[in-house]
Amino acid sequence: DAKTTQPPSMDCAEGRAANLPCNHSTISGNEYVYWYRQIHSQGPQYIIHGLKNNETNEMASLIITEDRKSSTLILPHATLRDTAVYYCIVRATLGNQFYFGTGTSLTVIP
Amino acid sequence: NAGVTQTPKFRVLKTGQSMTLLCAQDMNHEYMYWYRQDPGMGLRLIHYSVGEGTTAKGEVPDGYNVSRLKKQNFLLGLESAAPSQTSVYFCASSYLPGGNTEAFFGQGTRLTVV
Repeated sequence: DAKTTQPPSMDCAEGRAANLPCNHSTISGNEYVYWYRQIHSQGPQYIIHGLKNNETNEMASLIITEDRKSSTLILPHATLRDTAVYYCIVRATLGNQFYFGTGTSLTVIP
Repeated sequence: NAGVTQTPKFRVLKTGQSMTLLCAQDMNHEYMYWYRQDPGMGLRLIHYSVGEGTTAKGEVPDGYNVSRLKKQNFLLGLESAAPSQTSVYFCASSYLPGGNTEAFFGQGTRLTVV
């Protein structure tokens, strides 16, 4: 599974969009991009995933560049409850495991 | 629908003691995983299972054993606990082996070895 690179921390004003970047320059064609978050040492929570097209669900949007070497998770209207560590993971079609890095600690500021 | 349930939620062990952590899922998932998380670090895979009766090593398997006798349960054992095994342990399960399926996580077991 490819490695990912994320900034260690970010701040975002409450009500504004939070844009969390992830670099996965060694991603291969059969690897999906996943985003999870972990709030206060709880179990990781699934947010969204995609292969090459942009994706949107009730929680967030995922923008994947055309070359698939990077992606951005967008929380459209950040709230204080979105303060968490966000993990970007790439996972192969037949990959059995999720490999977590150290993620981005997002702080939403009132 | 409980999802993924871990037992116990907290435990304190003395060095050299043994214990078993239980993970149970009610989603009929084939794939189950055990991770550990140390302060300020991401999750690291200990062992995983691709189906009943199977287990495989992850990134950090030393000092742990696992068993998957029933599809819904994945047990993590510490035969002789060491202070280095103080950590938060997370179990997860998924329906498919990879790609287009998410994994569901339990709420964690906080283990302290003194």
